Amino acid sequence: SYVLTQPPSVSVAPGQTATITCGGDNIGIKTLHWYQQRPGQAPVLVVYDDSLRPSGIPERFSGSNSGNTATLTISRVEAGDEADYSCQVWDSSTDHPVFGGGTKLTVL
Amino acid sequence: QVQLVQSGAEVRKAGSSVTVSCKASGGSFSWDTISWVRQAPGQGLEWLGRIIPAPARAHHAHSFQGRITVTADTSTSTTYMHLSSLRSDDTATYFCARDAPTRTGSLDVWGNGTTVTVSS
Repeated sequence: SYVLTQPPSVSVAPGQTATITCGGDNIGIKTLHWYQQRPGQAPVLVVYDDSLRPSGIPERFSGSNSGNTATLTISRVEAGDEADYSCQVWDSSTDHPVFGGGTKLTVL
Repeated sequence: QVQLVQSGAEVRKAGSSVTVSCKASGGSFSWDTISWVRQAPGQGLEWLGRIIPAPARAHHAHSFQGRITVTADTSTSTTYMHLSSLRSDDTATYFCARDAPTRTGSLDVWGNGTTVTVSS
Protein backbone atom coordinates (compact mmCIF):
# COMPACT_ATOMS: atom_id res chain seq x y z
CA SER A 1 0.00 0.00 0.00
CA TYR A 2 0.95 3.64 -0.29
CA VAL A 3 3.59 4.90 2.18
CA LEU A 4 3.83 8.40 3.66
CA THR A 5 7.10 9.45 5.31
CA GLN A 6 7.39 12.20 7.92
CA PRO A 7 10.34 13.36 10.03
CA PRO A 8 9.94 12.19 13.64
CA SER A 9 10.47 15.63 15.10
CA VAL A 10 10.72 19.33 14.29
CA SER A 11 11.73 22.08 16.70
CA VAL A 12 11.08 25.79 16.36
CA ALA A 13 11.28 28.88 18.52
CA PRO A 14 8.13 30.84 19.33
CA GLY A 15 7.28 33.37 16.65
CA GLN A 16 9.22 31.51 13.98
CA THR A 17 7.89 29.38 11.12
CA ALA A 18 7.60 25.59 11.38
CA THR A 19 7.75 23.44 8.27
CA ILE A 20 6.64 19.81 8.46
CA THR A 21 7.06 17.60 5.41
CA CYS A 22 5.26 14.49 4.21
CA GLY A 23 6.88 12.45 1.47
CA GLY A 24 5.33 9.95 -0.89
CA ASP A 25 5.67 8.63 -4.42
CA ASN A 26 4.18 11.31 -6.69
CA ILE A 27 2.18 12.59 -3.72
CA GLY A 28 1.38 15.78 -5.61
CA ILE A 29 -1.32 13.99 -7.60
CA LYS A 30 -3.07 12.89 -4.42
CA THR A 31 -5.30 14.93 -2.12
CA LEU A 32 -3.60 15.46 1.19
CA HIS A 33 -4.86 16.27 4.67
CA TRP A 34 -3.13 17.26 7.93
CA TYR A 35 -4.12 16.55 11.54
CA GLN A 36 -2.96 18.06 14.81
CA GLN A 37 -3.00 15.86 17.90
CA ARG A 38 -2.20 17.14 21.36
CA PRO A 39 -1.23 14.60 24.05
CA GLY A 40 -4.18 12.60 25.26
CA GLN A 41 -6.56 14.16 22.75
CA ALA A 42 -8.19 13.15 19.50
CA PRO A 43 -6.76 14.35 16.19
CA VAL A 44 -8.07 17.62 14.77
CA LEU A 45 -8.19 18.32 11.04
CA VAL A 46 -6.15 21.49 10.42
CA VAL A 47 -5.68 21.40 6.62
CA TYR A 48 -7.69 19.46 4.04
CA ASP A 49 -7.53 19.09 0.27
CA ASP A 50 -3.84 20.09 0.27
CA SER A 51 -4.29 23.71 1.35
CA LEU A 52 -7.77 24.45 2.73
CA ARG A 53 -8.44 25.26 6.36
CA PRO A 54 -11.54 24.08 8.24
CA SER A 55 -13.58 26.67 10.06
CA GLY A 56 -11.87 27.76 13.26
CA ILE A 57 -8.32 26.91 12.19
CA PRO A 58 -6.04 29.98 12.27
CA GLU A 59 -4.65 31.38 9.03
CA ARG A 60 -1.20 30.65 10.44
CA PHE A 61 -1.71 27.06 9.26
CA SER A 62 -1.17 26.49 5.54
CA GLY A 63 -0.43 23.57 3.27
CA SER A 64 1.03 22.78 -0.12
CA ASN A 65 1.50 19.63 -2.16
CA SER A 66 3.65 19.06 -5.22
CA GLY A 67 5.93 16.44 -6.70
CA ASN A 68 6.97 13.95 -4.03
CA THR A 69 6.52 16.22 -1.00
CA ALA A 70 3.63 17.86 0.81
CA THR A 71 4.28 20.56 3.40
CA LEU A 72 2.44 21.92 6.41
CA THR A 73 3.61 25.39 7.35
CA ILE A 74 2.80 27.00 10.68
CA SER A 75 3.65 30.69 10.82
CA ARG A 76 4.26 32.69 13.98
CA VAL A 77 4.42 29.52 16.04
CA GLU A 78 2.90 29.63 19.52
CA ALA A 79 3.42 27.39 22.53
CA GLY A 80 -0.07 25.97 21.99
CA ASP A 81 0.97 24.63 18.58
CA GLU A 82 3.15 22.02 20.26
CA ALA A 83 1.62 18.69 19.18
CA ASP A 84 1.97 15.74 16.85
CA TYR A 85 1.10 16.44 13.22
CA SER A 86 0.11 13.64 10.82
CA CYS A 87 -0.48 13.71 7.08
CA GLN A 88 -3.04 11.51 5.34
CA VAL A 89 -4.09 10.59 1.80
CA TRP A 90 -6.60 8.22 0.29
CA ASP A 91 -4.92 5.12 -1.12
CA SER A 92 -6.92 4.21 -4.19
CA SER A 93 -5.24 0.79 -4.45
CA THR A 94 -6.69 -0.30 -1.11
CA ASP A 95 -9.65 2.11 -1.00
CA HIS A 96 -8.84 3.45 2.43
CA PRO A 97 -6.98 6.27 4.20
CA VAL A 98 -3.26 6.03 4.85
CA PHE A 99 -1.47 8.09 7.50
CA GLY A 100 2.09 9.23 7.89
CA GLY A 101 3.91 8.24 11.06
CA GLY A 102 3.50 11.69 12.58
CA THR A 103 5.89 14.53 13.43
CA LYS A 104 6.28 15.86 16.95
CA LEU A 105 6.49 19.65 16.88
CA THR A 106 8.40 21.07 19.83
CA VAL A 107 8.21 24.77 20.58
CA LEU A 108 11.50 25.74 22.22
CA GLN B 1 -22.46 20.57 14.74
CA VAL B 2 -21.75 16.83 14.55
CA GLN B 3 -20.38 15.27 17.72
CA LEU B 4 -19.15 11.72 18.25
CA VAL B 5 -19.11 10.28 21.77
CA GLN B 6 -17.42 6.95 22.41
CA SER B 7 -17.80 4.34 25.11
CA GLY B 8 -15.42 4.05 28.03
CA ALA B 9 -12.09 2.31 28.48
CA GLU B 10 -11.92 -1.48 28.24
CA VAL B 11 -9.52 -4.10 29.59
CA ARG B 12 -9.52 -7.53 27.98
CA LYS B 13 -7.57 -10.76 28.07
CA ALA B 14 -5.71 -11.94 25.00
CA GLY B 15 -7.95 -14.09 22.83
CA SER B 16 -11.14 -12.36 23.86
CA SER B 17 -13.06 -9.67 22.00
CA VAL B 18 -14.14 -6.08 22.55
CA THR B 19 -16.88 -3.82 21.22
CA VAL B 20 -16.49 -0.04 21.17
CA SER B 21 -19.44 2.24 20.45
CA CYS B 22 -19.61 5.68 18.88
CA LYS B 23 -22.80 7.71 19.21
CA ALA B 24 -23.38 10.58 16.78
CA SER B 25 -25.43 13.68 17.39
CA GLY B 26 -26.12 16.87 15.51
CA GLY B 27 -25.84 15.48 11.98
CA SER B 28 -27.44 13.25 9.36
CA PHE B 29 -26.26 9.91 10.69
CA SER B 30 -27.73 7.80 7.92
CA TRP B 31 -25.61 9.52 5.29
CA ASP B 32 -22.37 10.04 7.23
CA THR B 33 -19.63 7.47 6.67
CA ILE B 34 -17.94 6.63 9.97
CA SER B 35 -14.37 5.34 10.02
CA TRP B 36 -12.50 3.64 12.84
CA VAL B 37 -8.85 4.53 13.44
CA ARG B 38 -6.53 3.33 16.17
CA GLN B 39 -3.29 4.54 17.68
CA ALA B 40 -1.00 2.23 19.63
CA PRO B 41 1.11 3.83 22.36
CA GLY B 42 3.78 6.03 20.79
CA GLN B 43 2.72 5.03 17.27
CA GLY B 44 0.96 6.64 14.33
CA LEU B 45 -2.66 6.45 13.26
CA GLU B 46 -3.95 3.27 11.60
CA TRP B 47 -7.24 2.94 9.75
CA LEU B 48 -9.32 -0.13 10.62
CA GLY B 49 -12.58 0.10 8.73
CA ARG B 50 -15.65 2.18 7.96
CA ILE B 51 -19.38 1.95 7.48
CA ILE B 52 -22.07 3.86 5.66
CA PRO B 53 -25.04 3.38 8.01
CA ALA B 54 -27.93 3.32 5.57
CA PRO B 55 -28.00 1.09 3.71
CA ALA B 56 -25.30 -0.60 5.76
CA ARG B 57 -22.12 -1.03 3.76
CA ALA B 58 -18.87 -1.81 5.57
CA HIS B 59 -15.28 -1.96 4.39
CA HIS B 60 -12.33 -3.20 6.45
CA ALA B 61 -8.58 -2.95 6.20
CA HIS B 62 -7.18 -6.16 4.80
CA SER B 63 -4.92 -6.68 7.81
CA PHE B 64 -7.97 -6.91 10.10
CA GLN B 65 -10.08 -9.07 7.82
CA GLY B 66 -11.80 -11.82 9.77
CA ARG B 67 -11.26 -10.09 13.14
CA ILE B 68 -13.16 -6.83 12.76
CA THR B 69 -16.86 -6.11 12.34
CA VAL B 70 -18.25 -2.60 11.98
CA THR B 71 -21.98 -2.15 12.33
CA ALA B 72 -24.44 0.69 12.74
CA ASP B 73 -27.78 1.18 14.46
CA THR B 74 -29.64 4.00 12.75
CA SER B 75 -32.32 4.05 15.46
CA THR B 76 -29.73 5.24 17.99
CA SER B 77 -27.25 6.91 15.60
CA THR B 78 -24.55 4.60 16.97
CA THR B 79 -21.73 2.82 15.22
CA TYR B 80 -20.01 -0.22 16.73
CA MET B 81 -16.54 -1.65 16.17
CA HIS B 82 -16.08 -5.24 17.28
CA LEU B 83 -12.55 -6.70 17.33
CA SER B 84 -12.03 -10.37 18.14
CA SER B 85 -9.07 -12.66 18.89
CA LEU B 86 -7.39 -9.81 20.72
CA ARG B 87 -3.60 -9.76 21.02
CA SER B 88 -1.32 -7.61 23.14
CA ASP B 89 -0.47 -5.47 20.10
CA ASP B 90 -4.16 -4.51 19.84
CA THR B 91 -3.58 -2.35 22.92
CA ALA B 92 -4.36 1.12 21.61
CA THR B 93 -6.69 4.08 21.67
CA TYR B 94 -9.52 3.55 19.21
CA PHE B 95 -11.19 6.53 17.56
CA CYS B 96 -14.27 6.86 15.42
CA ALA B 97 -14.28 9.70 12.89
CA ARG B 98 -16.60 11.04 10.23
CA ASP B 99 -15.56 10.99 6.60
CA ALA B 100 -15.89 14.64 5.58
CA PRO B 101 -18.83 15.55 3.30
CA THR B 102 -16.29 16.88 0.78
CA ARG B 103 -15.69 13.19 -0.03
CA THR B 104 -12.00 13.81 -0.64
CA GLY B 105 -10.92 11.42 2.10
CA SER B 106 -10.41 13.65 5.14
CA LEU B 107 -11.84 12.87 8.57
CA ASP B 108 -13.36 16.07 9.87
CA VAL B 109 -14.99 15.10 13.17
CA TRP B 110 -13.44 12.71 15.67
CA GLY B 111 -14.72 10.90 18.72
CA ASN B 112 -13.07 11.27 22.11
CA GLY B 113 -11.24 7.96 21.86
CA THR B 114 -11.53 4.67 23.74
CA THR B 115 -8.51 3.04 25.35
CA VAL B 116 -8.41 -0.73 24.96
CA THR B 117 -5.84 -2.60 26.99
CA VAL B 118 -5.16 -6.25 26.19
CA SER B 119 -3.33 -8.32 28.80
CA SER B 120 -1.74 -11.68 28.17
